Amino acid sequence: EVQLVESGGDLVKPGGCLRLSCAASGFTFSTSTMNWVRQAPGKGLEWVSSMSGSGRYIYHADSVKGRFTISRDNAKSSLYLQMNSLRVDDTAIYYCVREGGIAGEDFDSWGQGTLVTVSS
Amino acid sequence: QSVLTQPPSASGTPGQRVTISCSGSNSNIGSKYVFWYQQFPGTAPKLLIYNNDQRPSGVPDRFSGSKSGTSASLAISGLRSEDEADYYCAAWDGRLNSRLFGGGTKLTVL
Repeated sequence: EVQLVESGGDLVKPGGCLRLSCAASGFTFSTSTMNWVRQAPGKGLEWVSSMSGSGRYIYHADSVKGRFTISRDNAKSSLYLQMNSLRVDDTAIYYCVREGGIAGEDFDSWGQGTLVTVSS
Repeated sequence: QSVLTQPPSASGTPGQRVTISCSGSNSNIGSKYVFWYQQFPGTAPKLLIYNNDQRPSGVPDRFSGSKSGTSASLAISGLRSEDEADYYCAAWDGRLNSRLFGGGTKLTVL
């Protein structure tokens, strides 16, 4: 069974930093493209970042480019999101998402999410 | 404002057929696969439709997806009270190099 467990969410002040982690199990992590997707309170879904299994292909949404960095440790089956220069509008639940579990680009497995609150 | 445009709300009565639209452009829906996700309050989204019109195992055939040009639709037939949820369309955008989500449609079963 695919399991994705996020951790690291917290209350942080504007301008601060945070590192999210996602522990994966139940599938071959090293060959899976992984993503972070966030959802602000009462709002819709917003894709944040993507990283291919090898780490060769990395994409970030314009809203986080230059501030957030996605990374992974295939030996530990873990995905990370380093979040710097945090802003109030980064407040959201952050989901770790597996891509391509069925047919290539589908987001077929989601974690339960971890809450990041940016507030003074 | 989302690049993929969905109506903010939709509604129907039990047994009815409802459709939710998703409008994009040539760089996303027009040339890429469309995906649909279902989300209940307080839970993570769930994949409902992939590759425009395919259902993952376990998704009832009451749910169907279609695409034409730069628009896509999710249809739910035989509407049930348990279908009341938020629905999101998604597609990769080749020009932006970004995964896009629609703004979401809240479905109410009257």
